[in-house]
Amino acid sequence: QVQLVQSGSELKKPGASVRVSCKASGYTFTRYFMNWVRQAPGQGLEWMGNIDTNGNPSYAQGFRGRFVFSVDSSVNTAYLQINSLKAEDKAVYYCVRGTNEYPGMDYWGQGTLVSVSS
Amino acid sequence: QSALTQPASVSGSPGQSIAISCTGTSSDVGGYDYVSWYQHHPGTAPKLIIFEVNNRPSGISDRFSGSKSGNTASLTITGLQPEDEGDYYCLSYTNTITLVFGGGTKLTVL
Repeated sequence: QVQLVQSGSELKKPGASVRVSCKASGYTFTRYFMNWVRQAPGQGLEWMGNIDTNGNPSYAQGFRGRFVFSVDSSVNTAYLQINSLKAEDKAVYYCVRGTNEYPGMDYWGQGTLVSVSS
Repeated sequence: QSALTQPASVSGSPGQSIAISCTGTSSDVGGYDYVSWYQHHPGTAPKLIIFEVNNRPSGISDRFSGSKSGNTASLTITGLQPEDEGDYYCLSYTNTITLVFGGGTKLTVL
């Protein structure tokens, strides 16, 4: 069965960087896009963008510059790196598999809480 | 791309039916039959319950159904059950080759 297992919670200082990992299993990793979704405290879900099967990232408005998507196909893992962390980056970040049959998303990781505090 | 518009909350009693609307524009909801719905119980991963406007993934109860008219999509839940309580989000493909969520709707089962 499809599973996306994300790395654990992180507590970082402002200005630092963080990398969230998302290990996929149960399907052919290289055949599907991977999306990233953010949920800030008390807020709704926000699509951050995705990375395609060739490793090319596409970022939604508001996530260009400090956010970096990457993949390592040798270990079936997608990564989200956030640089120059700000307090407002505190959120739960989800990886979500893209669908091939239509533009959308199906299977979700369990989420990773990133906290930013001095 | 602005978030799609959903009611902040809806409620219903067990056994009743409710509908949640998701309003966008001709650039997203109205332009494509690529609307999905997700159920989210806080603390867990969201779950896909409707895709391509009105299709259910395997294992999703037929109490959940979707539809679309113009720029507004809707999720209907019939025979409300206590476990249906949670947050619901719509998602649409857009003409800028991006995806956009609705603001989310909190469903309370009274």
